[in-house]
Amino acid sequence: EDQVTQSPEALRLQEGESSSLNCSYTVSGLRGLFWYRQDPGKGPEFLFTLYSAGEEKEKERLKATLTKKESFLHITAPKPEDSATYLCAVRESSGDKLTFGTGTRLAVRP
Amino acid sequence: EAGVVQSPRYKIIEKKQPVAFWCNPISGHNTLYWYLQNLGQGPELLIRYENEEAVDDSQLPKDRFSAERLKGVDSTLKIQPAELGDSAVYLCASPEDRGYNEQFFGPGTRLTVL
Repeated sequence: EDQVTQSPEALRLQEGESSSLNCSYTVSGLRGLFWYRQDPGKGPEFLFTLYSAGEEKEKERLKATLTKKESFLHITAPKPEDSATYLCAVRESSGDKLTFGTGTRLAVRP
Repeated sequence: EAGVVQSPRYKIIEKKQPVAFWCNPISGHNTLYWYLQNLGQGPELLIRYENEEAVDDSQLPKDRFSAERLKGVDSTLKIQPAELGDSAVYLCASPEDRGYNEQFFGPGTRLTVL
C-alpha cells in the first residue's frame, strides 16, 4: 500500500527565514510526485510534478526536489503570503489514484 | 476559463438526513474525481469517473454513499443517511486529460452533521 509521510506537521518561520519541508514515500513504481498548496477554506492548488530522482522544479520562492525515497520543498526567503498547508501526493505506476500525505502547515510571521 | 465549480459551499444537517453535493468540472475534462478531506488530513479518493463511467469506486462506502455523472459532465455525490462521522470537506477535481497529472480542485463543500 502506498504511504506518504510529511514532516514537520507544522512549521513557523520568520519572514526571510528559509527552510525545507519533507515528503517521504513508499510506492511500488512512482509515476509522479505532486506538491499542492492549500489555503484555509479552499481546494488544493497545484504547484509541481516531479517524475524521476534528481529532478528539480522552481516557482518563485519554492523549489521542489526528488530522490528515490523522498521529496523536499525548499522555501527561500518566505513571505507571510506563503503561509498555507503544503500537501504532497504520489501516483503509482499501476493506477491513476493520488495518495496524499497529511500536509505541513506553514506559518510565516512578518 | 472557469475552474471547477462546487455547490453548496457549506451544508449543515442533522444526522440521518440525506445530503447531496454538486460538481461541475472544467469544460472538456472527461475525468472527474471526488475526494473526502477530514480536518488535518490530506484528501482521500472516493470515486473516479471517466466520462459517465465510474472506473474506481473501491473507496466509496456504498451502503450510504452514491454518485452519478449523467452525460459525462456534472456530477452529484449523495449521502443517505448522513452520520456524524461524515462531517468533512468534499472536494471535486478534474485533470485536463487522463494522461495529465495536474488535477484542478474545486473549493469543496464543507459538511457538518449534527
